[in-house]
Amino acid sequence: NAGVTQTPKFRVLKTGQSMTLLCAQDMNHEYMYWYRQDPGMGLRLIHYSVGEGTTAKGEVPDGYNVSRLKKQNFLLGLESAAPSQTSVYFCASIKKPPITSYEQYFGPGTRLTVT
Amino acid sequence: TQLLEQSPQFLSIQEGENLTVYCNSSSVFSSLQWYRQEPGEGPVLLVTVVTGGEVKKLKRLTFQFGDARKDSSLHITAAQPGDTGLYLCAGVSGAGSYQLTFGKGTKLSVIP
Repeated sequence: NAGVTQTPKFRVLKTGQSMTLLCAQDMNHEYMYWYRQDPGMGLRLIHYSVGEGTTAKGEVPDGYNVSRLKKQNFLLGLESAAPSQTSVYFCASIKKPPITSYEQYFGPGTRLTVT
Repeated sequence: TQLLEQSPQFLSIQEGENLTVYCNSSSVFSSLQWYRQEPGEGPVLLVTVVTGGEVKKLKRLTFQFGDARKDSSLHITAAQPGDTGLYLCAGVSGAGSYQLTFGKGTKLSVIP
């Protein structure tokens, strides 16, 4: 199993450009999450999904959109990139409850720079 | 908004020393997790503590969950260079959605 994979690994965008980050998991996990990690800020939840076709806002959703058309994929979109969106983006997934460890499995991250 | 305060933010110690990292909140979490993150990688779960007062050991790492389920600590005995990394505590909440609220992390450097 590949676990959680993220595409691309690195990207540089100009202000105003758009892009989509892809997260894929092959563990048949039900729940998926998008976080951003900034220096000194820990990880902050952007959006999440509790199942195919469903999405919900997290702590910092502004400027981002998501879609979960297939169970194994969770897409994060930036319609008009801003320098404040320069960050490392992580995707994570978790099995459908009932679960005991609540372990979130993380991808390797996408480093995005907006100039 | 539930917040997790993690301290210290940075820690640089010599190999063989002991250390403790703290994670405190004014809110109660259903459970609390500790993750470790290496540069260029995603966080990896070390432990989940669920019951107030719970103590879990993972080799030289000891994790405690406070009686009131608002705070936790990570103690490393005889630190080794391989322990170097970013340690993150995370509280589990969001009934049914299993959202994680992360602390800002403790960057640990163990010098040989």
